[in-house]
Amino acid sequence: EIVMTQSPATLSVSPGERVTLSCRASQSISGNLAWYQQKPGQAPRVLIYGASTRATAIPARFSGSGSGTEFTLTISSLQSEDFAIYFCQQYNNWPPALTFGGGTKVEIK
Amino acid sequence: EMQLLESGGGLVQPGGSLRLSCAASGFTFRSYAMSWVRQAPGKGLEWVSGTSGSGDYTYYADSVKGRFTISRDNSKNTQYLQMNSLRAEDTAVYYCAKCPGGFPDWFDTWGQGTLVTVSS
Repeated sequence: EIVMTQSPATLSVSPGERVTLSCRASQSISGNLAWYQQKPGQAPRVLIYGASTRATAIPARFSGSGSGTEFTLTISSLQSEDFAIYFCQQYNNWPPALTFGGGTKVEIK
Repeated sequence: EMQLLESGGGLVQPGGSLRLSCAASGFTFRSYAMSWVRQAPGKGLEWVSGTSGSGDYTYYADSVKGRFTISRDNSKNTQYLQMNSLRAEDTAVYYCAKCPGGFPDWFDTWGQGTLVTVSS
């Protein structure tokens, strides 16, 4: 099983700040990584797939980078609606054995 | 607009069974892989099972292999998750999720979830 590790677990940030979230894979997953945002009481929604491609209707302040085992999600200027939990997910295995990271909670400082 | 609507959750005793359903609309259901992803209370996300667009291929997480069965009826635009031998650790919100291609990878559309509680 490919283990996904996210850091930090919690990030306290002020609106307008730049935010960088990390996700590490236990083995190389090439660029087969997605990022999701989840708000309380809601289902997750995809932000990024293919490590760096923004999903439909996702604002440009969200960007993803990385390949192999190290990945980053950056929010260039945090808006009030961005306070949420962020999960990474790998989809590199065949047959599929999809795994998620434990999540990073972005909270108001 | 693509939509997924789960149903079938509820309270069940340990060792019991439950069948979840997910009704899809707004896209050509048979063309896309589908999955179930769960989230225990206050915890992270766990992929449970997935199926190819045709339904010919099915995949499971080790934690549910042999106990859960995924299936789909493309004539009804519906996927199912039959859960047997349920355990307390299966308690979670179960999300139905659509993949952008024919085999499970990442998830572009999610349902609102249905809560399964395993308790005596």
